[in-house]
Amino acid sequence: SSELTQDPAVSVALGQTVRITCQGDSLRGYYATWYQQKPGQAPVLVIYGKNNRPSRIPDRFSGSRSGDTASLTIAGSQAEDEADYYCSSRDSSGNRWVFGGGTKVTVL
Amino acid sequence: QVQLVQSGAEVKKPGSSVKVSCKASGSTFSSYSINWVRQAPGQGLEWMGGILPFIGTANYAQKFQGRVTITADESTSTAYMEVSSLRSEDTAVYYCARQVPAAPGDWFDPWGQGTLVTVSS
Repeated sequence: SSELTQDPAVSVALGQTVRITCQGDSLRGYYATWYQQKPGQAPVLVIYGKNNRPSRIPDRFSGSRSGDTASLTIAGSQAEDEADYYCSSRDSSGNRWVFGGGTKVTVL
Repeated sequence: QVQLVQSGAEVKKPGSSVKVSCKASGSTFSSYSINWVRQAPGQGLEWMGGILPFIGTANYAQKFQGRVTITADESTSTAYMEVSSLRSEDTAVYYCARQVPAAPGDWFDPWGQGTLVTVSS
């Protein structure tokens, strides 16, 4: 399969922890990459590789993988973390890319 | 600091073509693949295809094969993405992004600012 499945929406209380998941066969062979997108803006890289963050991304963001499921965790969610989050990886053939449908995170 | 700057918004008629550019600065253009991703209004991200400039051969998502052409001009550090036979469903923001190679999971960073293409009669 070349699809990645994400929950459409999740909400989290300010300061609490939220985990977003991404499921797909390709994740057994490839790490998921996570992007954050705020309204009207281009996506921004959040997590890549096993669990790496660009220097501009706060350390409350972390990633993990188990079997065919990748997770993005935001520990101590802040108001500015409210955004759409997309996972992505190469597809099972390794020659193309796929994105999950995105998860809208609302910080209450 | 690598930066990708895309061309401006376009309004096109159904059946016509559009060509969007993506100019790179701050890195060795030819060594990194440039990929194109589009986002229809209110929808998610959709990978269209990519090109490694120093090789010059593009690969495409099956959905866009035959209707999308991705090219690169090393002399100007610019990648292009052309969509032909436009239809209303092609109305979207089109992004370019640099692919950073790593095994077993490369990534896209940075992204261009996006180009809105509106297809309307």
